[in-house]
Amino acid sequence: SQTIHQWPATLVQPVGSPLSLECTVEGTSNPNLYWYRQAAGRGLQLLFYSVGIGQISSEVPQNLSASRPQDRQFILSSKKLLLSDSGFYLCAWSRAGGYGEQYFGPGTRLTVT
Amino acid sequence: DAKTTQPPSMDCAEGRAANLPCNHSTISGNEYVYWYRQIHSQGPQYIIHGLKNNETNEMASLIITEDRKSSTLILPHATLRDTAVYYCIVRAFSGYSTLTFGKGTMLLVSP
Repeated sequence: SQTIHQWPATLVQPVGSPLSLECTVEGTSNPNLYWYRQAAGRGLQLLFYSVGIGQISSEVPQNLSASRPQDRQFILSSKKLLLSDSGFYLCAWSRAGGYGEQYFGPGTRLTVT
Repeated sequence: DAKTTQPPSMDCAEGRAANLPCNHSTISGNEYVYWYRQIHSQGPQYIIHGLKNNETNEMASLIITEDRKSSTLILPHATLRDTAVYYCIVRAFSGYSTLTFGKGTMLLVSP
């Protein structure tokens, strides 16, 4: 069966510090991968998606970047965090080609102070 | 993706059926209806999806009207653990279309 992992589960970082969140998927090959953010009291916002190694599409301009160094690894990064980067970050995967449903990880709660 | 309209909140007694409505009047012929839910502080969980026929799985049933302009998610015997925000989403099944989450319906199941 497929599983998706995210770490860390929670993170508190000062403004201006760097960020690296990692997501890995097991039990599937060549998945589509997604990063979402959910700000407090708001819906999910798609940040990035990837259809393959090194292929990243950005949905909104922001202070964040994403990379996919391996088939089942997706990383969300920032060089300098802003207060507005606080939120609940979720990684998701779907089968190759974007078909069907997406499966979400447990999420990382980021607080920028 | 077409837009959806859901009530902001609903209440249900434990053990009773929870019927969550969704309007999607501008849905296109190649778009499916998906339902997800998000329990507090957890990632969204896929529930069910359908095109035009009614669908049932171990979690819920999905009833889609004949004109496909609305649907209802049915939890046949709601439990306290079903308390969550439920999202109705329409999207094309093929291609790289992504999920667009709205505000959903907050379902509160009470004892």
